[in-house]
Amino acid sequence: SSELTQDPAVSVALGQTVRITCQGDSLRSYSASWYRQKPGQAPVLVIYGSNNRPSGIPHRFSGSTSGDTASLTITGAQAEDEADYYCKSRDSSGNHLVFGGGTKLTVL
Amino acid sequence: QLQLQESGPGLVKPSETLSLTCSVSGDSISSGAYYWGWIRQPPGKGLEWIGNIYNSGTTYCNPSLKSRATMSVDTSKNQFSLRLSSVTAADTAVYYCARSFFYSDSSGYGDRFDPWGQGILVTVSS
Repeated sequence: SSELTQDPAVSVALGQTVRITCQGDSLRSYSASWYRQKPGQAPVLVIYGSNNRPSGIPHRFSGSTSGDTASLTITGAQAEDEADYYCKSRDSSGNHLVFGGGTKLTVL
Repeated sequence: QLQLQESGPGLVKPSETLSLTCSVSGDSISSGAYYWGWIRQPPGKGLEWIGNIYNSGTTYCNPSLKSRATMSVDTSKNQFSLRLSSVTAADTAVYYCARSFFYSDSSGYGDRFDPWGQGILVTVSS
Protein backbone atom coordinates (compact mmCIF):
# COMPACT_ATOMS: atom_id res chain seq x y z
CA SER A 1 0.00 0.00 0.00
CA SER A 2 1.13 3.54 -0.79
CA GLU A 3 2.31 5.79 2.04
CA LEU A 4 0.81 8.72 0.15
CA THR A 5 -2.97 8.79 -0.17
CA GLN A 6 -4.84 10.47 -3.02
CA ASP A 7 -8.53 10.52 -3.90
CA PRO A 8 -8.99 8.11 -6.83
CA ALA A 9 -11.13 10.51 -8.86
CA VAL A 10 -12.06 14.19 -8.87
CA SER A 11 -14.16 16.19 -11.30
CA VAL A 12 -14.33 19.90 -12.06
CA ALA A 13 -16.47 22.06 -14.32
CA LEU A 14 -14.68 23.76 -17.18
CA GLY A 15 -13.14 27.01 -16.00
CA GLN A 16 -13.59 26.28 -12.31
CA THR A 17 -10.95 25.61 -9.65
CA VAL A 18 -10.02 22.15 -8.41
CA ARG A 19 -7.71 20.98 -5.65
CA ILE A 20 -6.09 17.55 -5.71
CA THR A 21 -4.66 16.42 -2.39
CA CYS A 22 -1.96 14.02 -1.25
CA GLN A 23 -1.79 12.96 2.38
CA GLY A 24 1.03 11.21 4.23
CA ASP A 25 3.02 11.50 7.43
CA SER A 26 6.29 11.84 5.51
CA LEU A 27 5.05 15.12 4.01
CA ARG A 28 5.69 16.73 7.39
CA SER A 29 9.41 16.23 6.66
CA TYR A 30 9.81 15.92 2.89
CA SER A 31 8.54 17.93 -0.03
CA ALA A 32 6.16 16.71 -2.74
CA SER A 33 6.27 16.91 -6.51
CA TRP A 34 3.33 16.46 -8.86
CA TYR A 35 3.08 14.72 -12.24
CA ARG A 36 0.41 14.83 -14.92
CA GLN A 37 -0.07 11.78 -17.11
CA LYS A 38 -2.32 11.71 -20.13
CA PRO A 39 -3.40 8.38 -21.68
CA GLY A 40 -0.59 6.63 -23.50
CA GLN A 41 1.98 9.25 -22.51
CA ALA A 42 4.81 9.48 -20.04
CA PRO A 43 4.26 11.52 -16.88
CA VAL A 44 5.24 15.20 -16.92
CA LEU A 45 6.37 17.23 -13.93
CA VAL A 46 3.94 20.08 -13.24
CA ILE A 47 4.78 21.29 -9.71
CA TYR A 48 7.52 20.66 -7.18
CA GLY A 49 8.16 21.96 -3.72
CA SER A 50 6.22 24.80 -2.19
CA ASN A 51 5.05 26.15 -5.56
CA ASN A 52 7.62 25.73 -8.34
CA ARG A 53 6.55 25.28 -11.95
CA PRO A 54 8.88 23.94 -14.65
CA SER A 55 9.06 26.01 -17.79
CA GLY A 56 6.12 25.41 -20.07
CA ILE A 57 3.66 24.59 -17.31
CA PRO A 58 0.76 27.09 -17.25
CA HIS A 59 0.37 29.50 -14.35
CA ARG A 60 -3.01 28.00 -13.51
CA PHE A 61 -1.13 25.14 -11.82
CA SER A 62 -0.01 25.84 -8.26
CA GLY A 63 1.08 23.84 -5.24
CA SER A 64 1.02 24.10 -1.48
CA THR A 65 1.68 22.04 1.63
CA SER A 66 0.12 22.16 5.08
CA GLY A 67 1.04 19.66 7.75
CA ASP A 68 0.79 16.17 6.30
CA THR A 69 -1.06 17.22 3.14
CA ALA A 70 0.27 18.50 -0.17
CA SER A 71 -2.14 20.04 -2.67
CA LEU A 72 -2.14 20.70 -6.38
CA THR A 73 -4.57 23.42 -7.44
CA ILE A 74 -5.71 24.14 -10.97
CA THR A 75 -7.33 27.57 -11.22
CA GLY A 76 -9.57 27.76 -14.25
CA ALA A 77 -9.37 24.14 -15.36
CA GLN A 78 -9.18 23.52 -19.10
CA ALA A 79 -10.25 20.50 -21.10
CA GLU A 80 -6.62 19.62 -21.73
CA ASP A 81 -6.05 19.30 -17.97
CA GLU A 82 -8.06 16.08 -17.93
CA ALA A 83 -5.50 13.46 -16.91
CA ASP A 84 -4.17 11.35 -14.07
CA TYR A 85 -2.21 13.25 -11.44
CA TYR A 86 0.36 11.68 -9.14
CA CYS A 87 2.13 13.09 -6.13
CA LYS A 88 5.57 11.86 -5.14
CA SER A 89 7.74 12.30 -2.08
CA ARG A 90 10.07 10.32 0.15
CA ASP A 91 9.01 7.69 2.63
CA SER A 92 9.50 8.03 6.36
CA SER A 93 13.06 6.69 6.16
CA GLY A 94 14.01 9.43 3.72
CA ASN A 95 15.96 7.01 1.55
CA HIS A 96 13.18 5.78 -0.68
CA LEU A 97 10.73 7.50 -2.95
CA VAL A 98 7.03 6.82 -3.05
CA PHE A 99 4.19 7.80 -5.38
CA GLY A 100 0.62 8.38 -4.38
CA GLY A 101 -1.99 6.13 -5.94
CA GLY A 102 -3.01 8.81 -8.44
CA THR A 103 -6.10 10.96 -9.00
CA LYS A 104 -8.09 10.82 -12.22
CA LEU A 105 -9.25 14.35 -13.02
CA THR A 106 -12.31 14.75 -15.20
CA VAL A 107 -13.13 18.18 -16.65
CA LEU A 108 -16.87 18.44 -17.23
CA GLN B 1 17.38 19.69 -24.46
CA LEU B 2 17.90 16.53 -22.45
CA GLN B 3 16.19 13.42 -23.80
CA LEU B 4 16.01 9.91 -22.42
CA GLN B 5 15.19 6.73 -24.32
CA GLU B 6 14.56 3.30 -22.85
CA SER B 7 15.57 0.19 -24.76
CA GLY B 8 15.50 -3.54 -24.19
CA PRO B 9 13.47 -6.65 -24.90
CA GLY B 10 9.71 -6.27 -24.82
CA LEU B 11 9.15 -9.87 -23.76
CA VAL B 12 10.87 -11.72 -20.93
CA LYS B 13 10.20 -15.24 -19.71
CA PRO B 14 9.21 -15.91 -16.09
CA SER B 15 12.15 -16.49 -13.73
CA GLU B 16 14.56 -14.77 -16.14
CA THR B 17 16.22 -11.37 -15.80
CA LEU B 18 14.79 -8.20 -17.29
CA SER B 19 17.48 -5.86 -18.62
CA LEU B 20 16.81 -2.30 -19.73
CA THR B 21 19.02 0.58 -20.76
CA CYS B 22 18.29 4.29 -20.70
CA SER B 23 20.24 6.34 -23.23
CA VAL B 24 20.73 9.99 -22.38
CA SER B 25 21.23 12.64 -25.06
CA GLY B 26 21.62 16.39 -24.86
CA ASP B 27 23.90 16.40 -21.82
CA SER B 28 26.54 14.31 -20.15
CA ILE B 29 25.19 11.76 -17.70
CA SER B 30 27.99 12.65 -15.29
CA SER B 31 27.54 16.42 -15.35
CA GLY B 32 25.68 18.46 -12.81
CA ALA B 33 23.97 17.54 -9.60
CA TYR B 34 21.69 14.98 -11.21
CA TYR B 35 20.87 11.44 -10.47
CA TRP B 36 18.86 8.91 -12.40
CA GLY B 37 15.75 6.94 -11.68
CA TRP B 38 13.63 4.04 -12.86
CA ILE B 39 9.86 3.98 -12.45
CA ARG B 40 7.33 1.44 -13.69
CA GLN B 41 3.58 1.31 -14.26
CA PRO B 42 1.65 -1.97 -14.55
CA PRO B 43 -1.14 -1.84 -17.14
CA GLY B 44 -4.06 0.19 -15.80
CA LYS B 45 -2.33 0.92 -12.49
CA GLY B 46 -0.32 3.67 -10.84
CA LEU B 47 3.34 4.59 -10.82
CA GLU B 48 5.86 2.64 -8.75
CA TRP B 49 9.36 3.87 -7.99
CA ILE B 50 11.98 1.20 -8.68
CA GLY B 51 15.19 2.94 -7.70
CA ASN B 52 17.68 5.75 -8.08
CA ILE B 53 21.35 5.66 -9.00
CA TYR B 54 23.78 8.47 -8.27
CA ASN B 55 26.89 9.31 -10.26
CA SER B 56 28.94 7.96 -7.37
CA GLY B 57 27.39 4.56 -8.05
CA THR B 58 25.30 4.62 -4.91
CA THR B 59 21.88 3.11 -5.44
CA TYR B 60 18.61 3.09 -3.54
CA CYS B 61 15.92 0.61 -4.51
CA ASN B 62 12.32 0.07 -3.54
CA PRO B 63 12.33 -2.39 -0.63
CA SER B 64 9.28 -4.11 -2.11
CA LEU B 65 11.47 -5.49 -4.88
CA LYS B 66 13.37 -7.57 -2.31
CA SER B 67 16.84 -6.92 -3.75
CA ARG B 68 15.89 -8.19 -7.23
CA ALA B 69 16.78 -4.83 -8.81
CA THR B 70 20.30 -3.68 -9.62
CA MET B 71 21.30 -0.50 -11.40
CA SER B 72 24.48 0.75 -13.02
CA VAL B 73 25.83 3.74 -14.92
CA ASP B 74 28.06 3.65 -18.00
CA THR B 75 29.44 7.16 -18.40
CA SER B 76 31.39 6.20 -21.55
CA LYS B 77 28.11 5.42 -23.32
CA ASN B 78 26.04 8.06 -21.53
CA GLN B 79 23.67 5.35 -20.38
CA PHE B 80 22.33 3.83 -17.20
CA SER B 81 20.78 0.42 -16.80
CA LEU B 82 18.34 -1.65 -14.79
CA ARG B 83 18.37 -5.38 -14.19
CA LEU B 84 15.44 -7.08 -12.46
CA SER B 85 15.94 -10.73 -11.66
CA SER B 86 13.49 -13.61 -11.17
CA VAL B 87 10.66 -11.83 -12.93
CA THR B 88 7.04 -12.92 -12.74
CA ALA B 89 3.88 -11.76 -14.46
CA ALA B 90 3.56 -9.11 -11.75
CA ASP B 91 6.60 -7.38 -13.25
CA THR B 92 4.74 -6.73 -16.51
CA ALA B 93 4.69 -2.96 -16.84
CA VAL B 94 5.73 0.09 -18.77
CA TYR B 95 9.20 0.96 -17.52
CA TYR B 96 10.31 4.60 -17.50
CA CYS B 97 13.67 6.19 -16.88
CA ALA B 98 13.99 9.77 -15.69
CA ARG B 99 16.48 12.35 -14.55
CA SER B 100 16.18 13.36 -10.92
CA PHE B 101 17.07 16.62 -9.21
CA PHE B 102 17.35 17.30 -5.53
CA TYR B 103 15.75 20.52 -4.29
CA SER B 104 15.06 22.29 -1.04
CA ASP B 105 12.58 25.04 -0.23
CA SER B 106 10.07 26.10 2.42
CA SER B 107 8.18 22.82 2.02
CA GLY B 108 11.25 20.75 2.87
CA TYR B 109 13.59 18.87 0.62
CA GLY B 110 12.73 16.42 -2.08
CA ASP B 111 13.38 15.15 -5.59
CA ARG B 112 11.79 15.85 -8.92
CA PHE B 113 11.81 13.61 -11.99
CA ASP B 114 12.24 15.72 -15.12
CA PRO B 115 12.29 14.75 -17.94
CA TRP B 116 11.04 11.21 -18.39
CA GLY B 117 11.69 8.79 -21.21
CA GLN B 118 8.76 7.72 -23.33
CA GLY B 119 8.59 4.34 -21.61
CA ILE B 120 8.92 0.77 -22.79
CA LEU B 121 6.38 -1.99 -22.27
CA VAL B 122 7.90 -5.17 -20.89
CA THR B 123 5.70 -8.24 -20.77
CA VAL B 124 6.64 -11.25 -18.68
CA SER B 125 5.23 -14.35 -20.28
CA SER B 126 6.34 -17.77 -21.43
